[in-house]
Amino acid sequence: DTGVSQNPRHKITKRGQNVTFRCDPISEHNRLYWYRQTLGQGPEFLTYFQNEAQLEKSRLLSDRFSAERPKGSFSTLEIQRTEQGDSAMYLCASSLRTLNTEAFFGQGTRLTVV
Amino acid sequence: AQTVTQSQPEMSVQEAETVTLSCTYDTSESNYYLFWYKQPPSRQMILVIRQEAYKQQNATENRFSVNFQKAAKSFSLKISDSQLGDTAMYFCAFLTQGGSEKLVFGKGTKLTVNP
Repeated sequence: DTGVSQNPRHKITKRGQNVTFRCDPISEHNRLYWYRQTLGQGPEFLTYFQNEAQLEKSRLLSDRFSAERPKGSFSTLEIQRTEQGDSAMYLCASSLRTLNTEAFFGQGTRLTVV
Repeated sequence: AQTVTQSQPEMSVQEAETVTLSCTYDTSESNYYLFWYKQPPSRQMILVIRQEAYKQQNATENRFSVNFQKAAKSFSLKISDSQLGDTAMYFCAFLTQGGSEKLVFGKGTKLTVNP
């Protein structure tokens, strides 16, 4: 296992379309996070899974956003009816559930809504 | 709520020189963790160094060290003998305790190492 993998790396979509991103965490990691990073900003927390349970969602995550982690393995983040404001880098990170554990990040999916 | 502030949007340093990146944070927690992450251009974010708040000794990792001032809520990163490969965005981050233990990031400092 070489790390956290995210697909696709880039996505260009028209406003109003739905998009789905995938994250494959490091296999033994039970915690999975989604962050969003816009230009000139640090990553902002979107949502968190422990195994298959989605335990926390940010207020940033509108009802157009949905995330899943079936069977506690890979995760998907879907955005429905995309808006130009959704254009950003979407980062996935995984870690083990122990204190002070390093979070490992994927390379991200860059979404451009035109 | 925790906040992290990085007051230097951009910095530059000559190769082999030393540079210090600043970070301040705000929290009411007494025990927590702080991190510096590096994000090279078009590459994934990687951990540079971490500090546990209850440890008085400043963390060091090879050429990277921190100056952790708990009372002042300050957590600066010093890079010694800067190398061209150090060119990247650097993010200071606070790890919230309990629950999701998510990272709260600053806006980042863009560091350029010049030959």
